[in-house]
Amino acid sequence: QSALTQPASVSGSPGQSITISCTGTSSDIGFYNYVSWYQQLPGKAPKLILYDVTNRPSGVSNRFSGSKSGNMASLTISGIQAEDEADYFCSAYTNNRSLQVLGTGTKVSVL
Amino acid sequence: EVQLVQSGAELKKPGDSLKISCQTSGYNFAKIWIAWVRQKPGEGLEWMGIIYPGDSETRYSPSFQGQVSISADESAATAYVHWSALKPSDSAMYYCARLGRGATTIDYWGQGTLLTVSS
Repeated sequence: QSALTQPASVSGSPGQSITISCTGTSSDIGFYNYVSWYQQLPGKAPKLILYDVTNRPSGVSNRFSGSKSGNMASLTISGIQAEDEADYFCSAYTNNRSLQVLGTGTKVSVL
Repeated sequence: EVQLVQSGAELKKPGDSLKISCQTSGYNFAKIWIAWVRQKPGEGLEWMGIIYPGDSETRYSPSFQGQVSISADESAATAYVHWSALKPSDSAMYYCARLGRGATTIDYWGQGTLLTVSS
């Protein structure tokens, strides 16, 4: 199964909002409301920041929000800060045997 | 508290065999899928495969089928990846992760095991 497609990089100035897209298919994003997003800080393991498209685990900043339309999901970071510089990955539940499909990853830079 | 703790960094030679581990705690290990994910330096995440420890059902991504062996020891609440003959191209960071909420998300990750294969 092919990976979910994300832009390679997105950048913004402090305080701005940025949006990262994640495009899948009718077998994953388009079929289920089970899209997750992960933040990977430099040298660290990925960390779950959104699940079920819009839900934040305890302790995750409310500056992170998610949405979905058709086969595409989006992560918005509001009021971006220097500490948000990281790689961001999406994943989605799939009816494929692998159960999950990962995104290609997006590097977020704060200018 | 759910924890996934991986074994330490490894430096191996081409042709060596290796098994790395992911010891879990804080939940019922048998009832939740565990995934292994590869990340090469500066690259994205690659899905290697998954295992359901309760019955050891294992599913490999096509790229990793025949290249690695994923296993689990329910009594030790530990999952493993085994290579029988390492190649330099296996050099990467390897993560284990838990497929939580009915496998609809990857809710906990191990800290990673760095593998370097070099002569």
